[in-house]
Amino acid sequence: DGGITQSPKYLFRKEGQNVTLSCEQNLNHDAMYWYRQDPGQGLRLIYYSQIVNDFQKGDIAEGYSVSREKKESFPLTVTSAQKNPTAFYLCASSGTSPSPLHFGNGTRLTVT
Amino acid sequence: GQQLNQSPQSMFIQEGEDVSMNCTSSSIFNTWLWYKQEPGEGPVLLIALYKAGELTSNGRLTAQFGITRKDSFLNISASIPSDVGIYFCAGQLGNNNDMRFGAGTRLTVKP
Repeated sequence: DGGITQSPKYLFRKEGQNVTLSCEQNLNHDAMYWYRQDPGQGLRLIYYSQIVNDFQKGDIAEGYSVSREKKESFPLTVTSAQKNPTAFYLCASSGTSPSPLHFGNGTRLTVT
Repeated sequence: GQQLNQSPQSMFIQEGEDVSMNCTSSSIFNTWLWYKQEPGEGPVLLIALYKAGELTSNGRLTAQFGITRKDSFLNISASIPSDVGIYFCAGQLGNNNDMRFGAGTRLTVKP
């Protein structure tokens, strides 16, 4: 089945460590996105990529980095510079705009 | 970036009741979307609206794109226990990177 796969589902890290969240899609979508979700808030855009080898900062990019070496993959690295990294992270992809976002099932990151 | 104003924040209803929730914004949008999210999962698209005034149904769900392009509502008729979840609205002006989300309406349905 076509879809978006995020892994792992749960991730635990110590403060000061970088951590990379995986996102893979087989929908043949050009665009991919990373969102952060915190309780009681709407989704906030971290980074997005509209094409391979190109990506742009979203509203809350500080402390995060991404790469887009393949169309199918858009990994997110949460660096030690991110002040409050504990959150639920959602990856999404879409076809040519306007086109709804399709979401993965998320990764819950806990940093202690 | 601007977030949407979604209300109510939460609803506790009896099975069989109808539900209504809405989103408003001070900005106009070209597309309104409604998603449902269940615990530990990603949001799933329920309804997409692309034209001001458009009224679209998906089973027991009905959504409308406000004529001013600044609001949208979602109705659920005859609620059932599996309707439980968080419902999000999203507005899009141009590209998908411009999409804005409401904070969600948490729906609880009592059998």
